[in-house]
Amino acid sequence: DTEVTQTPKHLVMGMTNKKSLKCEQHMGHRAMYWYKQKAKKPPELMFVYSYEKLSINESVPSRFSPECPNSSLLNLHLHALQPEDSALYLCASSRLLAGASYEQYFGPGTRLTVT
Amino acid sequence: AQKITQTQPGMFVQEKEAVTLDCTYDTSDQSYGLFWYKQPSSGEMIFLIYQGSYDEQNATEGRYSLNFQKARKSANLVISASQLGDSAMYFCAYEGGSEKLVFGKGTKLTVNP
Repeated sequence: DTEVTQTPKHLVMGMTNKKSLKCEQHMGHRAMYWYKQKAKKPPELMFVYSYEKLSINESVPSRFSPECPNSSLLNLHLHALQPEDSALYLCASSRLLAGASYEQYFGPGTRLTVT
Repeated sequence: AQKITQTQPGMFVQEKEAVTLDCTYDTSDQSYGLFWYKQPSSGEMIFLIYQGSYDEQNATEGRYSLNFQKARKSANLVISASQLGDSAMYFCAYEGGSEKLVFGKGTKLTVNP
C-alpha cells in the first residue's frame, strides 16, 4: 500500500462551523505533514508530526488544530475559519531515503471553501 | 535558508518533443535531496524523480531524467517524448535532512497536439 488517503475531497463550511480533515497512511512512515496550497502557488508547510509528536508548527493560526491519534492517522481540526483560508489542504507522509533525505508521498488533497 | 528558483512560469512544448524545466537552488548543506513533483489540475502532488547530493549518476525514471549539475547548483527536469497528459504544474523541491520540503514557485507546462 503506497497511498495517502484524505477525506473529504471537498468541504464547504461557514465561518462559525467546526469541521475536521482526515489523512491516513499505512506505509509505516514515521512523519506526517499538513500543507496549505493556494491557487497557482506552491504548497506551504503548516505542521509536521514525527513519531506522533508535533515537531514543526510554522506559526499557523490557532483556528487550525492538528492531531495525530496514532502513527497512521493525522487530523486537522478547523474552527472559526476565514474566507482567506479557502485553499487545497494536502497531507503527506515521508520515508527516509538512502541519501538521508526524506521522500514525501502526498494525498489527493481536500479543497476547502469557507463562506 | 535554502532557496529554490524556477525561472519559467510557463512552458509550451509540442507533443512527442522533449522539454527541459529549469531549477536552481542555493544551499550550504553538504547532504541534501532534490525532488520533482507534478501537479495536474486535480490537485494531487505526484512524485516524479529524486536526486541525492552524493549521487554520481543523474537520476532517470522512465521518460523523466534529472540533469544534475552540482557545481552550478542546478537540477533541471527533462521530459522526453512529451504527451498531452504531461500538461500540469511542475514543482522542484529541496530537502536538507530536516524533513521540510522547500518548493520552487512552479512551472506550468502545456503540451500542444
